[in-house]
Amino acid sequence: AAGVIQSPRHLIKEKRETATLKCYPIPRHDTVYWYQQGPGQDPQFLISFYEKMQSDKGSIPDRFSAQQFSDYHSELNMSSLELGDSALYFCASSFGLALDTQYFGPGTRLTVL
Amino acid sequence: DAKTTQPTSMDCAEGRAANLPCNHSTISGNEYVYWYRQIHSQGPQYIIHGLKNNETNEMASLIITEDRKSSTLILPHATLRDTAVYYCIVLFSARQLTFGSGTQLTVLP
Repeated sequence: AAGVIQSPRHLIKEKRETATLKCYPIPRHDTVYWYQQGPGQDPQFLISFYEKMQSDKGSIPDRFSAQQFSDYHSELNMSSLELGDSALYFCASSFGLALDTQYFGPGTRLTVL
Repeated sequence: DAKTTQPTSMDCAEGRAANLPCNHSTISGNEYVYWYRQIHSQGPQYIIHGLKNNETNEMASLIITEDRKSSTLILPHATLRDTAVYYCIVLFSARQLTFGSGTQLTVLP
């Protein structure tokens, strides 16, 4: 079965640079979630989108923004990168806005030097 | 959403059943119990979820006590590939998953 696709899988950036992470949900899934997992930490919710509209917001820094496009893929844009942004970034998708199982992608490992 | 409490770590012999407990004493009647696991640095993987009744799928069984204050995830025949952090998550209205500390399950050969 098709799974959530994330690209790139690995990304290395310098401080103060920008990064864009992409997420392609499971076909027919219309809801996308972004999570951040720092070294040795548990995943933390950042933001989610349903039908191209932001639905929930967690602990996402103001330097980060995200959107969902008409084909339901989503992009997480990160600017003025800091060393502390080094983390695994996971995208998950589900069907509908109501309680539904989230399926996670393999993640993007971002390293900020 | 209700808070959960899980043991920090557990060991299990390969081929034996792994029983992972979770306490959620403040759970309300319409909150579900979800289990996810994360194998080292991979994306969290959905395992199973339930509301009141016990549930079983190809991966695991979920036993929820009658008062719903605790549950147990059972992996019937643990393999080395089941070594992971297992998260018990209770939620209803919050669409985002709140990951607690989880249980590090180590399956020993």
